Amino acid sequence: EIVLTQSPGTLSLSPGERATLSCRASQSVSNNYLAWYQQKPGQAPRLLIYGASSRATGIPDRFSGSGSGTDFTLTISRLEPEDFAVYYCQPYDRSPPTFGQGTKLEI
Amino acid sequence: EVHLVESGGGLVQPGGSLRLSCAASGFPFSAYWMTWVRQAPGKGLEWVANIKQDGSEKYYVDSVKGRFTISRDNAKNSLYLQMNNLRAEDTAVYYCARDLHYTSGSLFQHWGQGTLVTVSS
Repeated sequence: EIVLTQSPGTLSLSPGERATLSCRASQSVSNNYLAWYQQKPGQAPRLLIYGASSRATGIPDRFSGSGSGTDFTLTISRLEPEDFAVYYCQPYDRSPPTFGQGTKLEI
Repeated sequence: EVHLVESGGGLVQPGGSLRLSCAASGFPFSAYWMTWVRQAPGKGLEWVANIKQDGSEKYYVDSVKGRFTISRDNAKNSLYLQMNNLRAEDTAVYYCARDLHYTSGSLFQHWGQGTLVTVSS
């Protein structure tokens, strides 16, 4: 079974700064079928990125995804106050579905 | 607009049962796989089960096999999760999600707001 390692566990930044979140998989993810989700406190997760680099509908362009194979990155170019949340990665090239343990982005 | 609304959560004793529901609207429900994902307090996301459009295929995480049953009623645009023999470790917020199912995996496009299940005596 694939193991996903997200780093760092917690990232402390300020509004306006750039955030770089990492997701490393123990096995290669086929077709770049890697998604990122954002979860704010008390809310449901929301799909941000699919196909490693495609933004979901309504997602601002300050969010970008990159990577392939086993190493993927979510970048938030200029942090807005509403971006402070937990971010999860999920490969969708295999079953059962699994999620990374999450990166908490805090002020 | 896609809308998913879960209900049926609550407090239940260990060994008890609960049935969760998810009412879907804003999309052709019968055209999509559907999924349940849960999140224990302070923890990450765990996929629980999913079901094919016509209900002919169902899959479960190992920890709930034989205890949970996923089902759907396309005429009512509703998804269900029957949970039996509940354990303390089943305590979580349960989310239903629209599942863009690929040949090998699932992408979760839309999520409900969740319903809390607490298993405790």
